[in-house]
Amino acid sequence: SVELTQDPAVSVALGQTVTITCQGDSVRRNSASWYQQRPGQAPKLLIYNADKRPSGISGRFSGSRSGNTASLTITGAQTEDEADYYCNSRDSSGQPFVVFGGGTKLTVL
Amino acid sequence: QVHLRESGPGQVKPSETLSLTCNVSGVSIITHSFYWAWVRQAPGKGLEWIASTYYSGTAYYTPALRSRVASSVDTSKNQFSLTMKSVTAADTATYYCARLSTSENGGWLYYFDLWGQGSRVTVSS
Repeated sequence: SVELTQDPAVSVALGQTVTITCQGDSVRRNSASWYQQRPGQAPKLLIYNADKRPSGISGRFSGSRSGNTASLTITGAQTEDEADYYCNSRDSSGQPFVVFGGGTKLTVL
Repeated sequence: QVHLRESGPGQVKPSETLSLTCNVSGVSIITHSFYWAWVRQAPGKGLEWIASTYYSGTAYYTPALRSRVASSVDTSKNQFSLTMKSVTAADTATYYCARLSTSENGGWLYYFDLWGQGSRVTVSS
């Protein structure tokens, strides 16, 4: 299956801006979505269709895409943003499969 | 309000079959453009997609597990299920049911907009 690559860990100072990336051919051909998973909780949809936020998601979260890289940007990071972040897309092989990135653990310093 | 809730055995012995059910409330499972999916997460690991099933019964499986899993939908009960045979310790994980939205507009858009709280499964004798 096609892979989506994420940095395993990223850190950001409180109140600063951080970008988490997701690379792969799947993202070049299809839209990426992003999820936040806090410890002991189920994932929560943050961004879909590259840059759309579901109702109730803070405007501090934004998404974008360039080529084969999707990005999630958190502006003004808060302590509650410390979590794991995952991207996903449809498999680029033509099969109706789902692919996930390996996840990025965000630490807020 | 829409809720998904998994139910499962908690523990399964190696080589046995795991059965999980996801009860959907607040929305009909007979909904166009949505699949009903299973995603798992082994302890300390990332998310792994297992299966997606349409209300009609059409199902897709990750190649890595295709020979051992089956997913089905029961529209009369508004629930869907996953069975996994011949489990091993490597199948120990939290299993999530989720709703997968799909659409195409120059490229495919796949995203999970609703999740259950997860069902922890341990494979152990």
